[in-house]
Order: sequence, then C-alpha cells, then structure tokens
Amino acid sequence: NAGVTQTPKFRILKIGQSMTLQCTQDMNHNYMYWYRQDPGMGLKLIYYSVGAGITDKGEVPNGYNVSRSTTEDFPLRLELAAPSQTSVYFCASSYSAGEQYFGPGTRLTVT
Amino acid sequence: KQEVTQIPAALSVPEGENLVLNCSFTDSAIYNLQWFRQDPGKGLTSLLLIQSSQREQTSGRLNASLDKSSGRSTLYIAASQPGDSATYLCAVPDSSYKLIFGSGTRLLVRP
Repeated sequence: NAGVTQTPKFRILKIGQSMTLQCTQDMNHNYMYWYRQDPGMGLKLIYYSVGAGITDKGEVPNGYNVSRSTTEDFPLRLELAAPSQTSVYFCASSYSAGEQYFGPGTRLTVT
Repeated sequence: KQEVTQIPAALSVPEGENLVLNCSFTDSAIYNLQWFRQDPGKGLTSLLLIQSSQREQTSGRLNASLDKSSGRSTLYIAASQPGDSATYLCAVPDSSYKLIFGSGTRLLVRP
C-alpha cells in the first residue's frame, strides 16, 4: 500500500513550456485534490475530483487543467508555464469527508 | 466563507515543555477538523482527525480538542522533543469536502 504517489519530485520549466504532474493513489478513494503551497504560505486548492469523470475548480484554477479517467489517477496539466506557477504542488485523496492523505509533493520552478 | 486562523505563527520552546497550538475557524458547521505536520521541504503528515461529534482525539503525546460552538481547536503536545520541530497545520473541510487550511504554526523545540 503506497498511499499517494507523485511524480516528478522536482522540475524546472522555462516560461511557456508545458508539463503534467502525475498523481496516483491506491486506497480506492473517491475524492482527489490538487493543492499548491507557495513559500511561507498555506495550501490553496487548485482542482478537485469527486470521482472518475468528475472534476471541479478550486480556489486558484487559472493556468491549470485536470482530468480523472480512473479512480486511481488525477494528473494536473500546466499548459503555458509562468513564473507565478513556481510552487510546491501536493496531491491528496480521501474517502468523501474523511481523512485526507497527501503525497510527498512536486517542487516546480518556472524561469 | 470559511476562514481558518492559527496562532501563534511561530513558537520556540525548550525541550520538555508542554505546549498548545491554537486553531480557529469562522463557520462552526464543520464535518471534522484535521491536524497535520509538515517538515521542511516535505509533504503533509496527518496527525489527528477529530469528527464534529467528538470533543477530543489523542495519539501518543498529542491531544487535539474541538469546540465547535466557539470555532476553536487546540493541539496539545506533551513533553516536547527536538524531533517535534516542524510546521503544524490545521484544516477543516467545506461543504464539498475541500480542505481550508490555516497558515500554520512553525514550532522549534530547542535541545
């Protein structure tokens, strides 16, 4: 039981490049989430999903896209990277209103 | 709109002290409250989850209490150790189970 896994751990992008952050959970959780954490700040929700095929925007969705084709996977897509997207990205999952479990994070730098 | 506040923002104590971290929230209609620990450069580790029907929850040297009517939760750490040094975050889910985080308390336990 690996919990929530994220890849890559680190990434440096040039402005305008695109990338996909991967997230997988093996706990059969229906809810999955993407958060970003800027230095010295709390976490802000980017997108979330309540089940396969269903996604919705969080607090800071601009510049990102998501998809949820399976229960296990919830990738986050950055289409045109901007310096403002430099952050640490965390994926999490839960069973409805239950305890949320977090992945180890992806540290992204856009230069 | 739910807002979560944590006081103090930073705390430095000598080893062995008992300490209290505070978390307050503006909307008392919560499902649960979750306390996390975050080590520098790492992901979030769930410490305790208190359901809305519970008054407190204990795990080892940690005790979390919940007073919904006053919109407050406290995390009590007994006999603090240098290994407890980390940032402690509290979070409550909104009506769609998305977590709203406080900005955290940075704890340093001095040997």
